[in-house]
Amino acid sequence: TQLLEQSPQFLSIQEGENLTVYCNSSSVFSSLQWYRQEPGEGPVLLVTVVTGGEVKKLKRLTFQFGDARKDSSLHITAAQPGDTGLYLCAGGGSGNTPLVFGKGTRLSVIA
Amino acid sequence: SAVISQKPSRDICQRGTSLTIQCQVDSQVTMMFWYRQQPGQSLTLIATANQGSEATYESGFVIDKFPISRPNLTFSTLTVSNMSPEDSSIYLCSTYREETQYFGPGTRLLVL
Repeated sequence: TQLLEQSPQFLSIQEGENLTVYCNSSSVFSSLQWYRQEPGEGPVLLVTVVTGGEVKKLKRLTFQFGDARKDSSLHITAAQPGDTGLYLCAGGGSGNTPLVFGKGTRLSVIA
Repeated sequence: SAVISQKPSRDICQRGTSLTIQCQVDSQVTMMFWYRQQPGQSLTLIATANQGSEATYESGFVIDKFPISRPNLTFSTLTVSNMSPEDSSIYLCSTYREETQYFGPGTRLLVL
């Protein structure tokens, strides 16, 4: 079974600060996904990284896939209260194979 | 994107009873997945439901406790049977479209 370790599990920061969330595994993944989940909603896909060393940017969010395709990071610049939510990394899914999720990072950005 | 709806959105149930959760997708899909998300936790896969065959359950989940139906390519149900307070969770259905996995809004269940 492929396992994904996410850290930190909880993060509370002030508006304007930067933060990084890590997702690590001992297994190689063909791709990793980052989802964000808000209360009362299902997870929503933010990005998929597929190439080792790949970096993708989504406004203030920067996603990186490790060269060996075993780890990924999410960096948020100048966090805002609207970034508050549960961030989940996931992998191992393809077509008809469901994703396996990390434990998630619960982010709270305080104004 | 895939549009997935779930009913009910939330419920409060008494222990020992059963609840059936419905999941509707806006187009035909091969696989549907059911996940459980316990309070403050991440998502754990319960089972995979393929139309026309028995659902495949993950370790720790059994058909008697979580029977699943998949009568057609757009619909599935998950029943939580003989509920106990430990079953209090969010239950999410999910499917793939164009290599991306989408999720329903979830059913928030509280068992008293």
